[in-house]
Amino acid sequence: EAGVAQSPRYKIIEKRQSVAFWCNPISGHATLYWYQQILGQGPKLLIQFQNNGVVDDSQLPKDRFSAERLKGVDSTLKIQPAKLEDSAVYLCASSTDSKPYEQYFGPGTRLTVT
Amino acid sequence: GEDVEQSLFLSVREGDSSVINCTYTDSSSTYLYWYKQEPGAGLQLLTYIFSNMDMKQDQRLTVLLNKKDKHLSLRIADTQTGDSAIYFCAEKNAGNNRKLIWGLGTSLAVNP
Repeated sequence: EAGVAQSPRYKIIEKRQSVAFWCNPISGHATLYWYQQILGQGPKLLIQFQNNGVVDDSQLPKDRFSAERLKGVDSTLKIQPAKLEDSAVYLCASSTDSKPYEQYFGPGTRLTVT
Repeated sequence: GEDVEQSLFLSVREGDSSVINCTYTDSSSTYLYWYKQEPGAGLQLLTYIFSNMDMKQDQRLTVLLNKKDKHLSLRIADTQTGDSAIYFCAEKNAGNNRKLIWGLGTSLAVNP
């Protein structure tokens, strides 16, 4: 079974620029999560989708971050404009309806904002 | 509020057992997890335990749960250099939301 795919793996941008990350969850996984992991910390949930609907986006900085999952499969997370404090690893995870307690993570995208 | 705490570092010798500890505050936790993160990699689900269990064993891994003390531990038997990583404890509460509450991670160093 293929795992969660993410791209790009690394991205370096200047502050005030825009960036987008892409995630393809495990086939058949209805729930998709985006996390932000700052160095030395645990993951912080940014947004959670159930199919193409948003379940939880309470910790998403909506003035600059946006995410979509239009067809209930792939998802993109966008930051516009980026700030220095957005430097982090952005992790995508997915889970099934039958086992919602098992989240499987992709390799992450390491973002550096200079 | 909800909180998960772990010690930040653990160093063991190759072949010894490692015990990584975690405490949590949410008494309505339903599942408790251990994830492993190797350098530059994503999070790998190692094991999890349902809150009505005291112990779960999976090959070299043993998870112990003390609900009264809200204490979770992960024991790795015969620790190998490949076990060097950061280990995250996480818990899921009983709400409909599938949100996990994460600790800061314990960095395990295995010395030859």
